[in-house]
Amino acid sequence: SQQGEEDPQALSIQEGENATMNCSYKTSINNLQWYRQNSGRGLVHLILIRSNEREKHSGRLRVTLDTSKKSSSLLITASRAADTASYFCATALMDSNYQLIWGAGTKLIIKP
Amino acid sequence: NAGVTQTPKFQVLKTGQSMTLQCAQDMNHEYMSWYRQDPGMGLRLIHYSVGAGITDQGEVPNGYNVSRSTTEDFPLRLLSAAPSQTSVYFCASSYAGGTYEQYFGPGTRLTVT
Repeated sequence: SQQGEEDPQALSIQEGENATMNCSYKTSINNLQWYRQNSGRGLVHLILIRSNEREKHSGRLRVTLDTSKKSSSLLITASRAADTASYFCATALMDSNYQLIWGAGTKLIIKP
Repeated sequence: NAGVTQTPKFQVLKTGQSMTLQCAQDMNHEYMSWYRQDPGMGLRLIHYSVGAGITDQGEVPNGYNVSRSTTEDFPLRLLSAAPSQTSVYFCASSYAGGTYEQYFGPGTRLTVT
């Protein structure tokens, strides 16, 4: 069963624009993580936000978490062609920090 | 550091054959896991281990076995391959006392005919 649901499933924007992806989940979490997957490659961790945090920044990435709505968003500012990838959210449940439950991902295409 | 390594990168099996997917990490991580990734779906957890000698089932364990005799290695065995096991398989590891960030291998693309 999937805990995280990303929205949209696919997103195509011009280079330089901002990209926003959303993730919703169903049960209480310890933390929520975002990963990037380039085509044909393994996943790479981008950022983690704990359940008691509301916003976190890392370079051009901004993540927000709303536990009352059970949702998170990932904002990539000033997008670049190299940001073209699939982005996944993963939730760590309250009783199991190491088991992550994954959404189906958002496929982001940055047009030059 | 090589990180998480997986072999082979590609494999084609016939229905009924068995094989072992290899996974190794050199980061001294306690937690290791195997996922499968199918088109249009997120990762699904097959098996995981929280340390040498300790393994447990994930969401989709049927048809797969694992063992963890050392901290470094976590092989995944397909007992009798079926077309439904055609997928991309990822191994991941994590430091048990840290931020729970998982490090992934490059994946094994398996086709069962």
